[in-house]
Amino acid sequence: GAGVSQSPSNKVTEKGKDVELRCDPISGHTALYWYRQSLGQGLEFLIYFQGNSAPDKSGLPSDRFSAERTGGSVSTLTIQRTQQEDSAVYLCASSPLQGNQPQHFGDGTRLSIL
Amino acid sequence: GENVEQHPSTLSVQEGDSAVIKCTYSDSASNYFPWYKQELGKRPQLIIDIRSNVGEKKDQRIAVTLNKTAKHFSLHITETQPEDSAVYFCAGGRGGGNKLTFGTGTQLKVEL
Repeated sequence: GAGVSQSPSNKVTEKGKDVELRCDPISGHTALYWYRQSLGQGLEFLIYFQGNSAPDKSGLPSDRFSAERTGGSVSTLTIQRTQQEDSAVYLCASSPLQGNQPQHFGDGTRLSIL
Repeated sequence: GENVEQHPSTLSVQEGDSAVIKCTYSDSASNYFPWYKQELGKRPQLIIDIRSNVGEKKDQRIAVTLNKTAKHFSLHITETQPEDSAVYFCAGGRGGGNKLTFGTGTQLKVEL
């Protein structure tokens, strides 16, 4: 079946612009996660949507970052007034809510801020 | 919250040798521990996982062990091959769709 789909795959934008990154999870997966990965670094947790519960936003680095998940499926991560330090790969993952199930990752969006 | 520590950060082995990566966790309620492999420029991919009701799990050349008392778990790769070269991440969490906490990764290099 289809995996986690992210778009765009690459995004280059000027400092100060807003960007929107999209994640389409695996069908039926009710948990959705966003991570940030800087070059050569680990996975930095950003935000987590779990079914109909309030999202866990504890990893968002600043109020310029926000995310929403409409209809329990597609999620959008928005970065306002981008800064050069926002340059990274943004990864989305999804998993079933019940049981001990692995997260499945998308290919990520490589964001470059000029 | 959970804290997962991973060692070593880099590991270089000769082809055919074994590689071991170790992780420790802090939350005694964590019961699910997956391992991911990430090749350069690719997505992290699950290679093996273990749940707290077992102490060891094996899949061909890959095995994972879990010591709940000591709160540590390890990845063992035997007969390493060049294609095993990648970054490996451990993770821990309470399962049921709960947030996973990832280790900082181990860069494994298998040399010919």
